[in-house]
Amino acid sequence: RKEVEQDPGPFNVPEGATVAFNCTYSNSASQSFFWYRQDCRKEPKLLMSVYSSGNEDGRFTAQLNRASQYISLLIRDSKLSDSATYLCVVNNGNQGGKLIFGQGTELSVKP
Amino acid sequence: SQTIHQWPATLVQPVGSPLSLECTVEGTSNPNLYWYRQAAGRGLQLLFYSVGIGQISSEVPQNLSASRPQDRQFILSSKKLLLSDSGFYLCAWSRVGSGGFNEQFFGPGTRLTVL
Repeated sequence: RKEVEQDPGPFNVPEGATVAFNCTYSNSASQSFFWYRQDCRKEPKLLMSVYSSGNEDGRFTAQLNRASQYISLLIRDSKLSDSATYLCVVNNGNQGGKLIFGQGTELSVKP
Repeated sequence: SQTIHQWPATLVQPVGSPLSLECTVEGTSNPNLYWYRQAAGRGLQLLFYSVGIGQISSEVPQNLSASRPQDRQFILSSKKLLLSDSGFYLCAWSRVGSGGFNEQFFGPGTRLTVL
């Protein structure tokens, strides 16, 4: 089983749609969680850290369920500029602060 | 504010040639530093990480090596490139401490093609 698993995608949605990405992680001792966004042929960029109580940043909402070892990202009112690959990332609090990246879910928002 | 630089941006090298990619971080001190590779259409693979000058941990066996000669400088090298070394090489940094909540910030990457 992969340490971090994401929906395989791709997701093709119209502008204005709400889209949800799901992610599961295997290590119950995981301490911190992130969503990164990666545009084509660019470096990953931090989108949101995910906190235990859930957090929201504009149109983006992240949720964490430690009991189910599940992380989600909800994008409301999607824009063309949201088209990218979304990476679920887990830090196990190990030495060196290593991150474990999911394979990513590609989102394509169409007019 | 902190910035991270990588060069070159793109590189085309013949099989068997040496490699040196450089990464530098500005605006912070004693960062954790990381080298990743992303093959075409694939996820990120951690190659090396460093928690201090001269301290290198290797994640996967390969013909690459890393060095950290200065606090904010991280170098990825190879003596002889293989075709399979082609990919997108990303350097990243994170703050030390704060438990596990260490977001990583990536440089712009080097796209390497080995022919």
